[in-house]
Formats: sequence, C-alpha cells, structure tokens
Amino acid sequence: KNEVEQSPQNLTAQEGEFITINCSYSVGISALHWLQQHPGGGIVSLFMLSSGKKKHGRLIATINIQEKHSSLHITASHPRDSAVYICALHGSGNTGKLIFGQGTTLQVKP
Amino acid sequence: EAQVTQNPRYLITVTGKKLTVTCSQNMNHEYMSWYRQDPGLGLRQIYYSMNVEVTDKGDVPEGYKVSRKEKRNFPLILESPSPNQTSLYFCASSRQGVLGDTGELFFGEGSRLTVL
Repeated sequence: KNEVEQSPQNLTAQEGEFITINCSYSVGISALHWLQQHPGGGIVSLFMLSSGKKKHGRLIATINIQEKHSSLHITASHPRDSAVYICALHGSGNTGKLIFGQGTTLQVKP
Repeated sequence: EAQVTQNPRYLITVTGKKLTVTCSQNMNHEYMSWYRQDPGLGLRQIYYSMNVEVTDKGDVPEGYKVSRKEKRNFPLILESPSPNQTSLYFCASSRQGVLGDTGELFFGEGSRLTVL
C-alpha cells in the first residue's frame, strides 16, 4: 500500500464548480505540501501545512493530523485551474525525505 | 527575485558521457533536493541536502551523485548516463529551521534530459 494516496486520480468539472481533492497518508508527518503543475510547465507550491487550514484566494487547504488526511478545495473553479495537483509530505522521522502522491489531473471546462 | 535556477533546461546526450545539471538558489535556503518525474511514476526524490556538506539519498539515488559545497548550489552529476535516466528533472529548495520545521518549497523550471 502506498504511503500517500490521492483521490480522485482524474477530475473533470464545469467552470464555477466547487472542487475537492483528497490526500490520505499512513505515516507520521512534519509538514504537507500541495503543489500545482500545469501541462508542460513547472511546479508551483500552493500551500505548506503542518496543522489546521490555510486560504489563498480561491484555494483552501486543510489538514487533519489525527485522521492523516488533507484536502485541497477550489472555489468557483476556472479553466486556468486545469493542472495536476500533487500532495507531498515530509515524514516526522526524517524531514529531508519527501514522499509524493501520484497526482490528481483536473480539467475545468468552460 | 527569489528563484531556483537549473541548467541546462534541455539536453540530449549519449550513453556514458558524464554530465552535470546545475541548481542554484538565491534565498539562502538550507534545504535543497533533486527529483525526477516520469510518466506513470510521478515525482520521485533522488537526493537531498539539509545544509552545506550534508547530503542523503532519496528513493532513487542509483546512477546519480550530488555535492553541497556551497549553500546556494546543489549540482546533480550523472557519471555514466544510461537511457533509463531519460527524464524530467526538478531541483527545489526551502528554508529548514533548526527544529526541523520546513518552509515552502521553491522549484526550478525543470531540466529535460534525453540519453541516447
């Protein structure tokens, strides 16, 4: 079983819809990152979380340490949100190692 | 401007010809790391460095070397490249506090390497 599981793997939404991407993990962590990668593009960090909730514009990220689960929400989705979203986590025992989820491919249609 | 710079961005080489991909950051970050991205396999960590002269293996270190002689630079060395090292490579850096607390990751633009 993978240490980090993302769901769904693929997601298609209509413009304006509320989107949720989930990340579940089985190890203790010191921090969790949400990353965004546009097709053919580089990787951008959206959030770094160790507890609670963060908001940036239309994006919200939450983490529940006890349940070993994090969610990324996109409100009022737009075609420019179409990208691959990746969760990545630093284990609590070794903060240098980074474990990646397999990514969620999001397509937002106009 | 805060940035992580990788070079070269694109490279086609032949089996066995040593190459170095450079990575430099201007944010005085302690932590630097290398990843490769392959279709169907996602991102995988190759090596990381918690600070100058401190490096450690990630999940796929075979065939790669790294060094961290200066805080800003973390080159990735392929001593004898093989076709299975054809991939998209990313370097990243972040602040790393003394208590192990980590900051936001900053990624380079990626280096697409083809080994024939």
